[in-house]
Amino acid sequence: AQKITQTQPGMFVQEKEAVTLDCTYDTSDQSYGLFWYKQPSSGEMIFLIYQGSYDEQNATEGRYSLNFQKARKSANLVISASQLGDSAMYFCAMRTTYNTDKLIFGTGTRLQVFP
Amino acid sequence: DSGVTQTPKHLITATGQRVTLRCSPRSGDLSVYWYQQSLDQGLQFLIQYYNGEERAKGNILERFSAQQFPDLHSELNLSSLELGDSALYFCASSAQGLNTEAFFGQGTRLTVV
Repeated sequence: AQKITQTQPGMFVQEKEAVTLDCTYDTSDQSYGLFWYKQPSSGEMIFLIYQGSYDEQNATEGRYSLNFQKARKSANLVISASQLGDSAMYFCAMRTTYNTDKLIFGTGTRLQVFP
Repeated sequence: DSGVTQTPKHLITATGQRVTLRCSPRSGDLSVYWYQQSLDQGLQFLIQYYNGEERAKGNILERFSAQQFPDLHSELNLSSLELGDSALYFCASSAQGLNTEAFFGQGTRLTVV
């Protein structure tokens, strides 16, 4: 069965510091995609970054990078140089070849950035 | 703007009633997903349609149903509403494929009183 686990309900980070949000996943498929989304207090879901299971390099998008460790089945999001506007909920999600029609999400991590 | 439109943005209704949530996907996207997000919870996958056909089903109650129309817009029908159905309901759309991200609408906040 597919499952996404985010074990950190909440994280705090000081402005300009880096922070890592954890995500582990469970699937027996060899081909899958991993996504991170941000949900600010306004409620909308914003796509941040994607990592494919066969991608040899870790994905990066601006200040976001994905620390992908396939053997450990982890796909941690790293935010560098945190900004106050990064305060939000962050969700990890997965889609697999077994069921490309299903995008499942973890329970999320609430990140708070303080000055 | 994600290109996905959900209406209404807010809905307040009484227990036992029925409501319909509407979603227009991004232009060109054939897949539509529905998710339920209760207070401070993650996103629970409800159901997914692709080009008018149901493709995947999650934890959707029997009181809930959905469909996707020929013009690709989708509706989620919630009936015999209970207080516990109060939540934010998201619609998302995507192109077909493993690596395609889903674009989300702004959500419909349903409050059952």
